[in-house]
Amino acid sequence: AQRVTQPEKLLSVFKGAPVELKCNYSYSGSPELFWYVQYSRQRLQLLLRHISRESIKGFTADLNKGETSFHLKKPFAQEEDSAMYYCALTGHGGATNKLIFGTGTLLAVQP
Amino acid sequence: NAGVMQNPRHLVRRRGQEARLRCSPMKGHSHVYWYRQLPEEGLKFMVYLQKENIIDESGMPKERFSAEFPKEGPSILRIQQVVRGDSAAYFCASSNGQGANWGYTFGSGTRLTVV
Repeated sequence: AQRVTQPEKLLSVFKGAPVELKCNYSYSGSPELFWYVQYSRQRLQLLLRHISRESIKGFTADLNKGETSFHLKKPFAQEEDSAMYYCALTGHGGATNKLIFGTGTLLAVQP
Repeated sequence: NAGVMQNPRHLVRRRGQEARLRCSPMKGHSHVYWYRQLPEEGLKFMVYLQKENIIDESGMPKERFSAEFPKEGPSILRIQQVVRGDSAAYFCASSNGQGANWGYTFGSGTRLTVV
């Protein structure tokens, strides 16, 4: 079954502390993995995708096929990072490219 | 570029009424996706449409729900005879056909409340 699991509903850290948002997936094939972010009162937007191997706003995510994980990390959290984060996957090719989302993790960065 | 426009932002309906949710994709995008987010859950795929065609409706409930994307005008998600369990946030996303691999653009969503 295709599934994305984000085990933490809420992650609270202090400003300057490291952040790791966990994401595990189940997919029979080679998925494409993404992180989406939703800031307060804003629309859902793409943060980063694993195929780009990019770092956005200091966040990085490494795809670990052995552990089927795609954890999102940032070495020093900022207050403006407070938001809802969703991990998502889609399959290679196919006619649909629909996204399968996790339930999200609310990151709260305390001053 | 106004992005993906959804309206209304909030919709309240009594049980048994019809709900119509509209989505205008980004300029140049001809592919539309609808997702539903129930309370405490992640976004769940409902339907994928191109102009005048439903490509994948595997996530749509079998009854009361329908979607269209006419040649002219916005995409419409229609829910007939709404029930309390339909209360959710409904999100639309559009793409230029490259699909999720190159990133969707999401709308702000419509929050449907059934009373």
